[in-house]
Amino acid sequence: ETGVTQTPRHLVMGMTNKKSLKCEQHLGHNAMYWYKQSAKKPLELMFVYNFKEQTENNSVPSRFSPECPNSSHLFLHLHTLQPEDSALYLCASSQDSGGGETQYFGPGTRLLVL
Amino acid sequence: GQNIDQPTEMTATEGAIVQINCTYQTSGFNGLFWYQQHAGEAPTFLSYNVLDGLEEKGRFSSFLSRSKGYSYLLLKELQMKDSASYLCAVKDSNYQLIWGAGTKLIIKP
Repeated sequence: ETGVTQTPRHLVMGMTNKKSLKCEQHLGHNAMYWYKQSAKKPLELMFVYNFKEQTENNSVPSRFSPECPNSSHLFLHLHTLQPEDSALYLCASSQDSGGGETQYFGPGTRLLVL
Repeated sequence: GQNIDQPTEMTATEGAIVQINCTYQTSGFNGLFWYQQHAGEAPTFLSYNVLDGLEEKGRFSSFLSRSKGYSYLLLKELQMKDSASYLCAVKDSNYQLIWGAGTKLIIKP
């Protein structure tokens, strides 16, 4: 248990569906992250929020839309996804986004797009 | 471009020692991390090196040489539960983590 929870753990959706992934951290951190993890590939950073402000958007398609209402919660809204978006989506948090702070990960949401 | 290289897969025997290497080319350096990830689970933090040398933590040790762009993770007295993927990541000059693809470690009895 890392103090970062994610729901749902598994999600199957069609290309026309809209769904949201939720992440919550209980560590008192100020930075939160979304990563995409595909088989045998490095983790891909998608978005970074620091003190609720988005500080990074690594050229992510607009069909992924993040939302950070407060420092403890992070959402990833999904719509009109493609089959190649099937992957493990990991949320992480750290004290802040600079320096050598360690990132703590949630268990991820395994997403399958049909 | 920025790049982290680590072997795709390694196999070792229970009770033995294994060394997982990581080489990196990044724009700047602000520390190197090792994470462990069991199948279907979250990556969990193992170690952090920012200065050259060896950091020991129980059965796990991590080494860094900044001049060589090189690190290794050393696992001693291997146990079956050590079967997992081991991820190497470097913080670049912008404090962004650059990740390797991970090394899948298989432990055999």
